[in-house]
Amino acid sequence: GQSLEQPSEVTAVEGAIVQINCTYQTSGFYGLSWYQQHDGGAPTFLSYNALDGLEETGRFSSFLSRSDSYGYLLLQELQMKDSASYFCAVRDRSGNDKLIFGTGTRLQVFP
Amino acid sequence: DAGVIQSPRHEVTEMGQEVTLRCKPISGHDYLFWYRQTMMRGLELLIYFNNNVPIDDSGMPEDRFSAKMPNASFSTLKIQPSEPRDSAVYFCASSFERGVAGETQYFGPGTRLLVL
Repeated sequence: GQSLEQPSEVTAVEGAIVQINCTYQTSGFYGLSWYQQHDGGAPTFLSYNALDGLEETGRFSSFLSRSDSYGYLLLQELQMKDSASYFCAVRDRSGNDKLIFGTGTRLQVFP
Repeated sequence: DAGVIQSPRHEVTEMGQEVTLRCKPISGHDYLFWYRQTMMRGLELLIYFNNNVPIDDSGMPEDRFSAKMPNASFSTLKIQPSEPRDSAVYFCASSFERGVAGETQYFGPGTRLLVL
């Protein structure tokens, strides 16, 4: 089976940089995905890492270390609109390939 | 494309009633997923389809839940009879492919279900 761990909550101020960590246990691994969900909204895909290293998309970057079963989402130049929940997710190759989501990290950005 | 469409957006019903949630995936997407989200249990996969065929329904909580996908553009999730503990947000999502290179799941706006 699969399990993912994330911090439950992170706070930061506008303009700052924040890192949201995700550690996972898996019996089979394709890659690590990140989704953003605003209150009352639907999850929205942010990024995917299949290989080790850093993937950058604008203010957001995602990192993966397969040997450490660890990844993180890095948000730079934080804006108020970044206040949301962030979920990491992995595919469960031992269980019909379904996507397993972490419990989510609630990010609050203060002015 | 309009994205994944779900209806109704909100549903309030009484315990014991039948509830039917509807989903129209993005055209051309071969995979359709039904998720349930609650504060206690987070985001859970209930069932997913590939080319209208159910692939994994191990997340369906019990026999009161059933899902169908009669064609590539429509799916339903039915709860009969409904119970208060079924109150949650139900999301439908679709994706184009699920290769090793990854996938992007596109979520609908969700149906907020309240069972009294």
